[in-house]
Amino acid sequence: EEHLVESGGGLVQPGGSLRLSCAASGFTFRRFWMAWVRQAPGKGLEWVANIKEDGSEMYYGESVKGRFTISRDNAENSLYLQMNSLRAEDTAVYYCARDFFSNREASYYMDVWGKGTTVTVSS
Amino acid sequence: TQMTQSPSSLSASVGDRVTITCRASQGSGNYLNWYQQKPGKPPKILIHTASTLHSGVPSRFSGGGSGTDFTLTISSLQPEDFATYYCQQTFSTPYTFGQGTRLEI
Repeated sequence: EEHLVESGGGLVQPGGSLRLSCAASGFTFRRFWMAWVRQAPGKGLEWVANIKEDGSEMYYGESVKGRFTISRDNAENSLYLQMNSLRAEDTAVYYCARDFFSNREASYYMDVWGKGTTVTVSS
Repeated sequence: TQMTQSPSSLSASVGDRVTITCRASQGSGNYLNWYQQKPGKPPKILIHTASTLHSGVPSRFSGGGSGTDFTLTISSLQPEDFATYYCQQTFSTPYTFGQGTRLEI
């Protein structure tokens, strides 16, 4: 069974940095795009970033562009999110998700999700 | 692409038929997914590519639409369907979500 487990969340001061990790198991990690999605307390889902199977392409949401960096280590079956210049509005649960590509419909959707890790940005 | 769902919240009863709409600010083809989220849990995929039911999802869920206007319909609400529903476009990055529709008893 496919599993994703996030870690690395915590309390950080505004302007600080944090690195989130996501450990994948139960599937061939290197064959899938992967993504980060976040959810601020009591708010909706916000797509943060995704990364191609081989790490050669990355895309970011407007609110994190230039501050966050997504990366992966296929040998370690791990996904990462380096978060710099953190702001109070970055406070959220951060989910790691698998971007599944459906060949039949030629479309992507997130079919496996972790339980999330909480990031709190506060002084 | 901005995604706008309506309504933002909806009260209904078991057995009701409900429809949630999602409008894209730009044409998104049929690259539209629907997710269900319950409190304290990660989202679950219900429907992808506008109308394809994900494996294991009950047939009372259905999706439709293309371009800029999409719908999620639940034909006969069950107690376990009370949750928040999100649409997401995957036509172009960033893959934006709608703001969510909270379905309440």
